[in-house]
Amino acid sequence: GQNIDQPTEMTATEGAIVQINCTYQTSGFNGLFWYQQHAGEAPTFLSYNVLDGLEEKGRFSSFLSRSKGYSYLLLKELQMKDSASYLCAVRDSNYQLIWGAGTKLIIKP
Amino acid sequence: DGGITQSPKYLFRKEGQNVTLSCEQNLNHDAMYWYRQDPGQGLRLIYYSQIVNDFQKGDIAEGYSVSREKKESFPLTVTSAQKNPTAFYLCASIGGHTIYFGEGSWLTVV
Repeated sequence: GQNIDQPTEMTATEGAIVQINCTYQTSGFNGLFWYQQHAGEAPTFLSYNVLDGLEEKGRFSSFLSRSKGYSYLLLKELQMKDSASYLCAVRDSNYQLIWGAGTKLIIKP
Repeated sequence: DGGITQSPKYLFRKEGQNVTLSCEQNLNHDAMYWYRQDPGQGLRLIYYSQIVNDFQKGDIAEGYSVSREKKESFPLTVTSAQKNPTAFYLCASIGGHTIYFGEGSWLTVV
C-alpha cells in the first residue's frame, strides 16, 4: 500500500530552527507538497519539490531525495505564528494525492 | 482572483437529514477533491473527480455522494447514512504544482 510517515508532534523554541521529516512509499512519484495548516483553517501552500535537492523560500526550505523516499521541511528563525500543523503530500504515478497525517509543531517562547 | 469557494462555512444537520456542501472553482482545473478532517487528524479523501461527469470514491465514501455536472462545480451531499458526519470538510483542486483549498465547511449534527 501507499504510505506517508511524519512525526506526530514536535516542539521547538522561538528563534530556533526545526526540521520536519517526511518519508514516503508510493506507486511512483510526481511531486511532493508541503502545506501549513492552522487550527480550524484550510491548509496553505508552502512548497513543491519534484527534483532532488533543496528549495529555499524565505525562512522555509524543503529538501527532496527521491532515491530515499525522503523529504524534510526546514523552518528557520521560528516565530510563535509558526505554531501549526505541517502536512506532507505526494502525487503518485496516477496523479493521485497521498497525504501524511501531519506534524503538529509547538513553538515555545 | 481565481480560487475555490465553499459554502456554507457552518452547517447544522438534524438526524436523518441530507445536507449539501457547495464547492465552486474558477481556476479551470479538471481535478477536484473532497476531504474530511476530524480534530487533530489528517485529511481523508471522500471523493475525487478528474473530469466532468466522472468521479471516484475515496477512502471514506460511505454515506456521501457527489456530482460533477460542470467543470466549475463539485457539490458534496452528506446523507443520513453517514452516522458520524461532524467534521471539517475541505474542497480542493489541483493545477500544475499547487493544490488549492476552499476555506472549509464545519458540519455539526444537532
